[in-house]
Amino acid sequence: DSGVTQTPKHLITATGQRVTLRCSPRSGDLSVYWYQQSLDQGLQFLIQYYNGEERAKGNILERFSAQQFPDLHSELNLSSLELGDSALYFCASSVASLAGVSGELFFGEGSRLTVL
Amino acid sequence: DAKTTQPTSMDCAEGRAANLPCNHSTISGNEYVYWYRQIHSQGPQYIIHGLKNNETNEMASLIITEDRKSSTLILPHATLRDTAVYYCIVRAIYNTNAGKSTFGDGTTLTVKP
Repeated sequence: DSGVTQTPKHLITATGQRVTLRCSPRSGDLSVYWYQQSLDQGLQFLIQYYNGEERAKGNILERFSAQQFPDLHSELNLSSLELGDSALYFCASSVASLAGVSGELFFGEGSRLTVL
Repeated sequence: DAKTTQPTSMDCAEGRAANLPCNHSTISGNEYVYWYRQIHSQGPQYIIHGLKNNETNEMASLIITEDRKSSTLILPHATLRDTAVYYCIVRAIYNTNAGKSTFGDGTTLTVKP
């Protein structure tokens, strides 16, 4: 158990819909990262938050957005869903200081999104 | 972050040591080498990391060459449960954008009875 909790574990929805994935980081971790893993594309970094603020951005589509709340949990919002958005979405957290010190990543078990 | 190159797949006999290589020839002085593994679509699991000295923990050993351009992850006594995809990534810790850890395709290690 990594200490990172993701919900829901599985989600099936239709094209055009919007979903929200939730992540609770390990206790004490200030940084949250989101990754997408499709069958044909491996693990792709989407976005990172540190203590409520966006810290780094990867290949995140404009239809996707994320935020980190004061209690440090994070949500990834996916809208106007397409078939190609079907994937595993992983959240990770790490101990990261304001100076940028960032240790190893601890991953949740993922949310499997299926868009029909 | 520097790019890494790993073999696509490797086999290892159960009980033997598994040696997984990684090339990171463009690594910078402030970048660490991290290893993670992912067992069958579960969340990736941290294994070990190092800067320039060899490291060992309860899971594995990490050998980094003196020029830091390559490294080897060693699982001393591989078991069937070690069958997984192993990712080698290079990451600057002291960097406000340290979160951009790019995972490549990794090495699929298959441990055989």
